[in-house]
Amino acid sequence: KAGVTQTPRYLIKTRGQQVTLSCSPISGHRSVSWYQQTPGQGLQFLFEYFSETQRNKGNFPGRFSGRQFSNSRSEMNVSTLELGDSALYLCASSYHRELQETQYFGPGTRLLVL
Amino acid sequence: TQLLEQSPQFLSIQEGENLTVYCNSSSVFSSLQWYRQEPGEGPVLLVTVVTGGEVKKLKRLTFQFGDARKDSSLHITAAQPGDTGLYLCAGRYNFNKFYFGSGTKLNVKP
Repeated sequence: KAGVTQTPRYLIKTRGQQVTLSCSPISGHRSVSWYQQTPGQGLQFLFEYFSETQRNKGNFPGRFSGRQFSNSRSEMNVSTLELGDSALYLCASSYHRELQETQYFGPGTRLLVL
Repeated sequence: TQLLEQSPQFLSIQEGENLTVYCNSSSVFSSLQWYRQEPGEGPVLLVTVVTGGEVKKLKRLTFQFGDARKDSSLHITAAQPGDTGLYLCAGRYNFNKFYFGSGTKLNVKP
């Protein structure tokens, strides 16, 4: 089974621009979560989608948005980029949303905002 | 303020030594997971614990969930250079989203 894939792997943008990141979950998985990882704040939850509906949202400004398609693929968008948005963005997928569910992480997209 | 406090932040030890990493919170977890992340990759799940007092073993790794489900520990026996990486705990509250600890960066020197 192919793992979680994320594209692009690396991205350089300038302040004020917007960016769209893509995540393809493991086949059959319906839940996709997005996380931001920085050296200072660690791994922080952005949002979770399950069957095309946003189920949970973290404490990020409205510039961060996401969506999930009928094939479970997900995208996240960041508008009006700021320097502080430079981070590794990780996507994780799981089949259900059970307590013991395993989240499988992708390799991440490293975003650098100049 | 982190919801989950992980300690220590950094650990550098010699091959063959034992170590313990701690994960603490003032809140009760529905479940808790431990991950290991290597540079340039996403975290990989090591274990999930659900029941208070639960102990799980994975070869040289022993995971313990506190009786009150507010804390957890990861103990590595006879560490090897291949254990080097960032260890993360993640707690889930009420079937809700996961909160991650700040991580413990482990370096095992040969």
